[in-house]
Amino acid sequence: EAQVTQNPRYLITVTGKKLTVTCSQNMNHEYMSWYRQDPGLGLRQIYYSMNVEVTDKGDVPEGYKVSRKEKRNFPLILESPSPNQTSLYFCASSGSGTGAEQFFGPGTRLTVL
Amino acid sequence: QKEVEQNSGPLSVPEGAIASLNCTYSDRVSQSFFWYRQYSGKSPELIMSIYSNGDKEDGRFTAQLNKASQYVSLLIRDSQPSDSATYLCASQPDNYGQNFVFGPGTRLSVLP
Repeated sequence: EAQVTQNPRYLITVTGKKLTVTCSQNMNHEYMSWYRQDPGLGLRQIYYSMNVEVTDKGDVPEGYKVSRKEKRNFPLILESPSPNQTSLYFCASSGSGTGAEQFFGPGTRLTVL
Repeated sequence: QKEVEQNSGPLSVPEGAIASLNCTYSDRVSQSFFWYRQYSGKSPELIMSIYSNGDKEDGRFTAQLNKASQYVSLLIRDSQPSDSATYLCASQPDNYGQNFVFGPGTRLSVLP
C-alpha cells in the first residue's frame, strides 16, 4: 500500500529535550515536505526536500532541522523544543511534474511543556 | 509575504445544495492551485488541482481560477453530509519547486 508514515503519532516532551519525528514514504517520490498546522493559521511549510541531500527552508524553519540521506526518509529534528512548537505536524511527499499531488502522513501531535 | 486567504466559516448548507468555497492569493506569480479536504483529526487529501484560467470539473466538484483577480473557488454540487470537513486552498508559486502556501481553511457543514 502506497503511504507516508510518521512516528511517533503523539509525543509529550519538555522544553529543551531534543527530539526527532521520523517520516518515510514507499512511493519513490523525489519531493518531501514538513508542515505544522495550528488553529486559525492552516498548514505552514517548515522545510522541503527536492531530492537526496537537497533541502530548503519553507515559511517557518526557525527551530527545526531536517536531513535527507535516503530518498524514502525525511526526519524532522527539534534540537531544543520550546512550547511554541506545540503543534500538529504533517509530512508529505510527491512525485515530480507540474502540480504533482502531495500525499500526507497521518500527522504527529507534539506537546512541549 | 505570500498569502492565501479563505473565510474560516463555518459555511453551512443543506443537503443537496451547492456549496461555494472561495480563496484569494497574494502572489501574482503563483502558477498552480489546489483544493484539499481535511476531516477532523485526519490528514489533508487532494480533491482537485487547477493551473489554467477557467473551470475544471471532476464529478460533483468544479474548481474555478481567475488569475487576473487572483481568485480560486471550489463548487460542490449536490452536497452530502459526508462533505462536511475543512477545505484547504493552496498555491504553488513555482511549478518546479515544492514551496506550497496554504490558506487557513474553510469549515463546511452540510446539514441533513
